Amino acid sequence: KAGVTQTPRYLIKTRGQQVTLSCSPISGHRSVSWYQQTPGQGLQFLFEYFSETQRNKGNFPGRFSGRQFSNSRSEMNVSTLELGDSALYLCASSQDGLDTQYFGPGTRLTVL
Amino acid sequence: KNQVEQSPQSLIILEGKNCTLQCNYTVSPFSNLRWYKQDTGRGPVSLTIMTFSENTKSNGRYTATLDADTKQSSLHITASQLSDSASYICVVRRGSYIPTFGRGTSLIVHP
Repeated sequence: KAGVTQTPRYLIKTRGQQVTLSCSPISGHRSVSWYQQTPGQGLQFLFEYFSETQRNKGNFPGRFSGRQFSNSRSEMNVSTLELGDSALYLCASSQDGLDTQYFGPGTRLTVL
Repeated sequence: KNQVEQSPQSLIILEGKNCTLQCNYTVSPFSNLRWYKQDTGRGPVSLTIMTFSENTKSNGRYTATLDADTKQSSLHITASQLSDSASYICVVRRGSYIPTFGRGTSLIVHP
């Protein structure tokens, strides 16, 4: 089975721009979660989607949004980028959200 | 406040030696606790998952323990190898699915 894939792997944006990150889960997995990882804060939960519905949301501002499509692929959008949004964004998929999560390699976002 | 604290922050050991990483949590209600290994430049990989009723679980050279009364977990690595060099992250999940992550322990294994 193919693993979780994320595109793009690297992104450079400037403050004020917006960005869309994509995640393709493992085939058959219906839950997709997004995480932000920074050296200072570690891994932080952004949100989880299950069957196209946002099931849980972390403590991030409304500039961070996401969606999930009928094929379970998910996108995450960040609007009005700030310098502090520079981070590794990880996506993880699982069958139901409570079982083992499989992480993708991440998208490294740099905001200048 | 729901928190997960890991110690030590970093650890350097010689190849072949054993080591133990600690995780203390205040997350409530408790659903499960996982240990992840994250190699540099890669996403985390699950090593073990433990529920309230489990107090020991092994995965090869990795053994995790859980004391739900004191809210402490440890990850013991036996006969370390160079490939064990990574960040080890403890994650506690509340009943509502939202996970809380520790900052991780950075382990370096020297030959």
